[in-house]
This record gives sequence, structure tokens and C-alpha cells, in this order.
Amino acid sequence: SQELEQSPQSLIVQEGKNLTINCTSSKTLYGLYWYKQKYGEGLIFLMMLQKGGEEKSHEKITAKLDEKKQQSSLHITASQPSHAGIYLCGADADNYGQNFVFGPGTRLSVLP
Amino acid sequence: NAGVTQTPKFRVLKTGQSMTLLCAQDMNHEYMYWYRQDPGMGLRLIHYSVGEGTTAKGEVPDGYNVSRLKKQNFLLGLESAAPSQTSVYFCASSYRQGNSPLHFGNGTRLTVT
Repeated sequence: SQELEQSPQSLIVQEGKNLTINCTSSKTLYGLYWYKQKYGEGLIFLMMLQKGGEEKSHEKITAKLDEKKQQSSLHITASQPSHAGIYLCGADADNYGQNFVFGPGTRLSVLP
Repeated sequence: NAGVTQTPKFRVLKTGQSMTLLCAQDMNHEYMYWYRQDPGMGLRLIHYSVGEGTTAKGEVPDGYNVSRLKKQNFLLGLESAAPSQTSVYFCASSYRQGNSPLHFGNGTRLTVT
């Protein structure tokens, strides 16, 4: 079965600093999704990447899928306290989208 | 635009009691899902539905039943609650299965004593 690993598990940064979260797949990714979760709330969809080399941005958050489609990175520029939360990557397990898979999450804290 | 709505938000049950968690989506999505989220275990799929009147088992279906009588609603039932079912339950929906993001509700926090 496909597995997603995320690194780091947790991250504490000072406000204004840049940071990167990685998501690595054991198999080729056909669709890679990034979500953000705040404590006590549901997952908020951020971005979807499908093509190798694809890069998307939303406000100060940029996500990229590498050419081999087995790793994605999420980069936050000039972090703010509002960026704090748990970031999860998710993937379509195979080309037919069976059994959507989630990574374990990266907990981000941003110190003011 | 409500998206995915779950009720209730919190619930405490005693062992052996039953309850139903309600999920409603207003995006006309075909696919709906129930997940549980536990510390150290991540999100695990309980049951899912690929359309009105259909249901299928996910990764951890034991102790749960579901029904999808209407396209917009997906119900999760616990017939005889156990402490191991203490968790946060999330409902999600998607336009299609594959190349389509899941949209989540805000969760139901269930405690079974």
C-alpha cells in the first residue's frame, strides 16, 4: 500500500522566517493535496498538484511536486502566527483514486 | 456556502449506547467519506460512498454502519459504543474519486466512557 511520510514532524519558527515541509511517497503520486488543520477544526484544502514539476501558490504558501512525482514540498514565506497549525499531505493512492492516503502531519508553531 | 456540515460537534456516550453522526453537503458531490482521527494514528477511513444508495468499507469499518439514502447526506452509526471508539470523526465529500480534493466538515468529538 502507498505510504506518505512528512518531515519534519514538528516545527517552531519565529514570525517572519521562511520554512519548508516535505512529503515523500513510496509510490508515484497521481494527485497530491495539501491541507491545513487548526486545533478542533476540520481540514482546509490548500492546493492540489498533479503534474511533475508543477508549482502552485496561495498567498505566501507555495507547493511543488518534483519531476519524478514522489515528493512534494510546501514552502511558507515570511511566516505569520496565522500560519500555525498542522499541515497534512494527501494523495490519490492510484490512478483511479482508490483509498485516498494521508501523511501523518507536520505541526507548525509560529512565535510572535 | 455551508460546504460540509457535521452534527453534533461534541458528544459523550456510555459504553453500549448508540448514536448517529450526521453529515450534510451542499456541493452536489457524489462521493462522501467518514474518517476518524486519533493521536499517533492519523486519519483513517471508516466507510465511504460513491453515490446515493451505495456504501463501502474503508480501513477500519468494524463497529460502525453507514447509510446514504440521499445524495447530500451520509450517516455514521455506532450501534454499541466502546471506549475504543473515542475519537474525532470527520466527514468529507468530493466531486469524484481521484484528481479531486476532499472537502471536510469541522468534526465531531466523541467520548465513550
